[in-house]
Amino acid sequence: GEDVEQSLFLSVREGDSSVINCTYTDSSSTYLYWYKQEPGAGLQLLTYIFSNMDMKQDQRLTVLLNKKDKHLSLRIADTQTGDSAIYFCAESPYNFNKFYFGSGTKLNVKP
Amino acid sequence: KAGVTQTPRYLIKTRGQQVTLSCSPISGHRSVSWYQQTPGQGLQFLFEYFSETQRNKGNFPGRFSGRQFSNSRSEMNVSTLELGDSALYLCASSQDRGTPYEQYFGPGTRLTVT
Repeated sequence: GEDVEQSLFLSVREGDSSVINCTYTDSSSTYLYWYKQEPGAGLQLLTYIFSNMDMKQDQRLTVLLNKKDKHLSLRIADTQTGDSAIYFCAESPYNFNKFYFGSGTKLNVKP
Repeated sequence: KAGVTQTPRYLIKTRGQQVTLSCSPISGHRSVSWYQQTPGQGLQFLFEYFSETQRNKGNFPGRFSGRQFSNSRSEMNVSTLELGDSALYLCASSQDRGTPYEQYFGPGTRLTVT
């Protein structure tokens, strides 16, 4: 099956930019997603990108996709303490409602 | 619009018992997926139901089963519980009207097996 990998931890100061990285293995057409999980809660969809795109921007969030290296990143501009959470990268093959998640990156934002 | 609801939120069971978890999707959503979340294995896909039929399946033993009702509500069942089944079980629903499949997650059921 598909393999999605993320680094486990990231610590930044409030106001800085955060960059969370993810690598995936599926070589076919796929959607790539970013989810956020706060303590005691389910996952919240933040954004997604199709594998034929390079970049997507949505307010403070920027997703960059390097198709050659199968590398996905999520940049959060002006990171706030409320952004502290676990961020999951996920991949879903085109036309299949079946998701493969990374292990999650715990983002700690220091005031 | 109400979100995805899961009941119960917390459950404690003994090894060997069985358990049933329930998920009510967002109104109008016809697809329901189940995931197991553990610190060691992360989020793993269990199965997906659409129109009362299992459409996709992950790599879990037959002790894990599910079903979906005509109103799209879904249940998952785990028989002969093992200590390793302790996890957060997440349910997600989606409209299933073309890609991308935007899955909306419930808060989860925390199962502890003793």
